[in-house]
Amino acid sequence: GQQLNQSPQSMFIQEGEDVSMNCTSSSIFNTWLWYKQDPGEGPVLLIALYKAGELTSNGRLTAQFGITRKDSFLNISASIPSDVGIYFCAGQLRSGGSNYKLTFGKGTLLTVNP
Amino acid sequence: DTGVSQDPRHKITKRGQNVTFRCDPISEHNRLYWYRQTLGQGPEFLTYFQNEAQLEKSRLLSDRFSAERPKGSFSTLEIQRTEQGDSAMYLCASSYESEQYFGPGTRLTVT
Repeated sequence: GQQLNQSPQSMFIQEGEDVSMNCTSSSIFNTWLWYKQDPGEGPVLLIALYKAGELTSNGRLTAQFGITRKDSFLNISASIPSDVGIYFCAGQLRSGGSNYKLTFGKGTLLTVNP
Repeated sequence: DTGVSQDPRHKITKRGQNVTFRCDPISEHNRLYWYRQTLGQGPEFLTYFQNEAQLEKSRLLSDRFSAERPKGSFSTLEIQRTEQGDSAMYLCASSYESEQYFGPGTRLTVT
């Protein structure tokens, strides 16, 4: 099935560093969501974006909905060891009462060295 | 705990057997989704319900797969005549609008 292009595939950083990751698509979405997944668990919703150009924060996390509606970015500031995990972007193109399904990227594996 | 729950968390079955998974969504959510995730990949959409109506099915959902949500509350996903390629994490999510909340998943291993 279709998946979004998410980069980088993996990152290895020192505690306290800032992190940036992004997601691009060949088609537009009207909602972007960012999730974090720990091994053996389901994804946990971090941030939801609903409008092109929107910038939204959740604690140390900041995400942006790209102007073209084909991309999104996630930044994590001052990383800590518990930020370790796989981060997924997901796009949604709702139209009327249909198309609620999410299309996911392949994820960015983040490792934080204490 | 008022999150999405899934049962069982792990299932090991022999090829050719049937398996059934259950999902209990967040109580006030009218939409329920099933996704499948394999190692190194993001979740892939399988099917979606609004209340008890199954509104969308992916081409990934072969004839061996069936999902139900009989009373608009919990849902079941059945796989008949399992194949080794069915081994994956099966994730359930629920939502009221766009924000989907996932359960812990059911890890299926077909031997």
